[in-house]
Amino acid sequence: DADVTQTPRNRITKTGKRIMLECSQTKGHDRMYWYRQDPGLGLRLIYYSFDVKDINKGEISDGYSVSRQAQAKFSLSLESAIPNQTALYFCATSDLHRGGQETQYFGPGTRLLVL
Amino acid sequence: RKEVEQDPGPFNVPEGATVAFNCTYSNSASQSFFWYRQDCRKEPKLLMSVYSSGNEDGRFTAQLNRASQYISLLIRDSKLSDSATYLCVVNEGSSNTGKLIFGQGTTLQVKP
Repeated sequence: DADVTQTPRNRITKTGKRIMLECSQTKGHDRMYWYRQDPGLGLRLIYYSFDVKDINKGEISDGYSVSRQAQAKFSLSLESAIPNQTALYFCATSDLHRGGQETQYFGPGTRLLVL
Repeated sequence: RKEVEQDPGPFNVPEGATVAFNCTYSNSASQSFFWYRQDCRKEPKLLMSVYSSGNEDGRFTAQLNRASQYISLLIRDSKLSDSATYLCVVNEGSSNTGKLIFGQGTTLQVKP
């Protein structure tokens, strides 16, 4: 079984709809992240959480909200979807290595199309 | 100026060739550097961390030049399976916030 899972894997929705993307992990990591990837722009950070009580905005949080329901679960919501939120969304987890190096482990991604 | 810049390519090389990618970063306070690999329509996966003294993992060699703020990845004896997009990744600043900045990636196509 995959260590980081995302549901749904693909989603088509209409402008104005509220949708939720879910992420679960079995790695036991405290840190979780949501990114979006657009062609030519690389991955951009939307929100991140270092533990259940900690939520932080990333580079592009407008139009998004998150919920850290448990150490293992981190959900991303689009309150009112718009077409420019069409993108590939990745969840990631991480834990600190000794020496401060940190590896992020990504879920398989959710491909979202907003019409 | 982008915080992490890479030549998007594509780099088209024959099997067995040696290929090098460079990446520049803008934040001189960054302390952690990585190369991730991303296959088409898949998630990024860590290829290797980049250490100050340079490091090697099989056919892959990573170098860091702090003075010029660039990172390189050298792939020797390219295989068809090396075809992918290579992402240069830098942490945001001097503290280990866990916030990573990703380059847009360099695409490599290895041809038979």
